[in-house]
This record gives sequence, C-alpha cells and structure tokens, in this order.
Amino acid sequence: SQKIEQNSEALNIQEGKTATLTCNYTNYSPAYLQWYRQDPGRGPVFLLLIRENEKEKRKERLKVTFDTTLKQSLFHITASQPADSATYLCALRNSGNTPLVFGKGTRLSVIA
Amino acid sequence: NAGVTQTPKFRVLKTGQSMTLLCAQDMNHEYMYWYRQDPGMGLRLIHYSVGEGTTAKGEVPDGYNVSRLKKQNFLLGLESAAPSQTSVYFCASSYPRYVETGELFFGEGSRLTVL
Repeated sequence: SQKIEQNSEALNIQEGKTATLTCNYTNYSPAYLQWYRQDPGRGPVFLLLIRENEKEKRKERLKVTFDTTLKQSLFHITASQPADSATYLCALRNSGNTPLVFGKGTRLSVIA
Repeated sequence: NAGVTQTPKFRVLKTGQSMTLLCAQDMNHEYMYWYRQDPGMGLRLIHYSVGEGTTAKGEVPDGYNVSRLKKQNFLLGLESAAPSQTSVYFCASSYPRYVETGELFFGEGSRLTVL
C-alpha cells in the first residue's frame, strides 16, 4: 500500500540548533515533493517544492533534500528560532494528474 | 485579494442534520480541494475539482457531496451529519501543476462538531 511517513510526531530542539525533519514514502513515484508549515488554528502554508531531478533546494534558513533512491526527503531549519515552532507537513504528487497526498506532520517546538 | 475564504468558520450540528460549507477563491485557480484534518490522521482528501462543472472523489468521500457550479466556488455538503464527521475542514485551490508549482493555497479552516 502507499504510505507517507513523517517519522517524528513531535520534535523539541534548542534555539540556534538545526532542526531536521524526515519524510519517507512507499509505493509512490513522485514528480515532486512539497513542504508546508501549519500554525495552530490556521491552514497550511506552502514553503518549498523540490522536483524528482533535484537533490537539494534552499530558501533562506530552510533546506530540503530529496533522495529518490532512499525514497526520503529531509527538511532542515538552520539557526532555529522559537518563531519556527509549528507543525510541518510533507506532501507529494505522483507523476500524472493526481492530487497532493499529505503526511501526518511533525510538530516542532524550538525552546529558547 | 482575499485568497481562499471558507464559511462558516465554526458550526455545531446534531446527528442527522444537513449543512453546506462554502469555499470561495479569487485567484482564478482551476483546481479546488476539500480536505479534513483529524488528530493523528493528518490531512485527508475528501473531494476535488479540476475545473468548473467537474468533481472527483478523494480518499474519504463517503457521507459528503460537492458541487462546482462556478469556477471560484466549491461547496461541500453533508446530507446527514454523523459524529464521525466532527473535524476541521480545509479548502484549498491551485493552478494545474504543469502551469505552476502545484502549490496549494489553503483557507483558514471550518471547525465542525456533530453531536
């Protein structure tokens, strides 16, 4: 069966450290993978997209990697701040015109 | 631009009652979606639409109906509400993936409680 797994339900880190979140998938052949941020009581907000032929993508303090051999994406936040505390969702779309499928999310808490 | 607007934001229903959630977007997006989000379950797709007059089933369509009579609106209906439909509902919209990144734009959610 098809699965998207975000390995940690919750992750606590100290301010200033790098947070690393994991997204693994099974039985998908994604054309690309996306990461979203969701704050409590709000809708998810798009952060980054990485395509199947890209190894790494950066945006300010954010970095995403995509390994189609391992079937895994890693999402990094460097120099983390308390304001980065939120739930982060990975989502992917198979090749073809199919809707996005979301992982369950990882709740990140950055402690000052 | 308002983006994606959902109404109502909160609603309490009794079992067996019906209601409609309205989603409106002002970005001229072709694609629209309804997701539900439950603790420990993540976002699950209920129904979606790839254009005016079209709808398709998602992962959890049972107990829901949808309509897309106008490009900017996507309605989600519950004909006979059940306690299992207590959830937070999110509407989203996007351009087709071959035009843009396929990024989804979400509304702020509608919290529904069925007693």
